[in-house]
Amino acid sequence: DGGITQSPKYLFRKEGQNVTLSCEQNLNHDAMYWYRQDPGQGLRLIYYSQIVNDFQKGDIAEGYSVSREKKESFPLTVTSAQKNPTAFYLCASSIRTSGARRDYEQYFGPGTRLTVT
Amino acid sequence: GENVEQHPSTLSVQEGDSAVIKCTYSDSASNYFPWYKQELGKRPQLIIDIRSNVGEKKDQRIAVTLNKTAKHFSLHITETQPEDSAVYFCAASKLQGAQKLVFGQGTRLTINP
Repeated sequence: DGGITQSPKYLFRKEGQNVTLSCEQNLNHDAMYWYRQDPGQGLRLIYYSQIVNDFQKGDIAEGYSVSREKKESFPLTVTSAQKNPTAFYLCASSIRTSGARRDYEQYFGPGTRLTVT
Repeated sequence: GENVEQHPSTLSVQEGDSAVIKCTYSDSASNYFPWYKQELGKRPQLIIDIRSNVGEKKDQRIAVTLNKTAKHFSLHITETQPEDSAVYFCAASKLQGAQKLVFGQGTRLTINP
């Protein structure tokens, strides 16, 4: 069954603790992304990676870190420096685009709802 | 950087009527404009997209129009059905390697039977 998975679905942490969210894909996609979704604000890009061992900051990277050691995996760590970490986190993947390609779709995982108290 | 504004934030229409959601973008270099649908408790899914070299694209009951000069694009859903009820997001990006999509705030569409 091809697709993109995230685990766990729900995650609870105490304030001050780091937490790592998992994202795995078997679509053979080069590019992977992490978004944060808050009510009424749409999706905001945290980090993205075009290829293995390379990643760039998105619009709201402060307080987050990522790694891309394998093509299939792009874990996100929410650090204690993130001031407002409670949110719904979505991972996505896509083919690296070029002008000749026709499939630009980003495929999303089911998301992880993180609650920090 | 790019900024995408989406209106309205909520939209309620009678089943069978049409629904229109509008978005504006700020970066004239953006050339890719997808629309995603997110049903309650589910992941966003692409429903239609358009590139800047095309002014309109249609897929059955949904269509997207793009006005590059005015920097706005719209989603049109005709003959709405209850299963169209969802949150719809527009987005914009430049097609170069990884797409840095900038999303609008979303529109909650409710179809009343």
